[in-house]
Amino acid sequence: DAKTTQPPSMDCAEGRAANLPCNHSTISGNEYVYWYRQIHSQGPQYIIHGLKNNETNEMASLIITEDRKSSTLILPHATLRDTAVYYCIVRVDGTASKLTFGTGTRLQVTL
Amino acid sequence: NAGVTQTPKFQVLKTGQSMTLQCAQDMNHEYMSWYRQDPGMGLRLIHYSVGAGITDQGEVPNGYNVSRSTTEDFPLRLLSAAPSQTSVYFCASSYYDRIPYEQYFGPGTRLTVT
Repeated sequence: DAKTTQPPSMDCAEGRAANLPCNHSTISGNEYVYWYRQIHSQGPQYIIHGLKNNETNEMASLIITEDRKSSTLILPHATLRDTAVYYCIVRVDGTASKLTFGTGTRLQVTL
Repeated sequence: NAGVTQTPKFQVLKTGQSMTLQCAQDMNHEYMSWYRQDPGMGLRLIHYSVGAGITDQGEVPNGYNVSRSTTEDFPLRLLSAAPSQTSVYFCASSYYDRIPYEQYFGPGTRLTVT
């Protein structure tokens, strides 16, 4: 699976959009981008995933660049409950397999 | 659905003791796995299973055993606890061949080995 690079930490004011970048310059054509988050030492939680088109669900939006070498997770209206570590993971979809977690981005949402 | 449950939530062991961490899921997921997370680190895969009777090693399997006799349960056994096994242990499950491969994680077991 391709390696990902994320900033170690970011801050965001409550109510503003949080934009979390991820670099995956060695991504292969059959690799998907997944995002998970981990709130205060709880188990990680799936957020969203995509291949090359932008994706949106009730939690977030995922923007993938045209060359697929980077992506951005957008939390449109961050709340204090979104304070967490966010992990960007690249993996091949075929059957279930391990998730390779890096150290992620620690997002702090403040008043 | 209870989702993925883990017991105990906390455990303190002495070096050399053995114990079993329990994991159960009620979502009929074929795939189950165990990760450990050390302070400030990402999660690392210990063992995984793609169905009852089938298990395989992850990246850090030494010192741990697993078995999968039912779809629902996937216990992790520490054979002879060492201080290096002090960590938070997470169990996860998912469907095996259903996209997206959303893995559901349990709340974790915090283990301290003295």
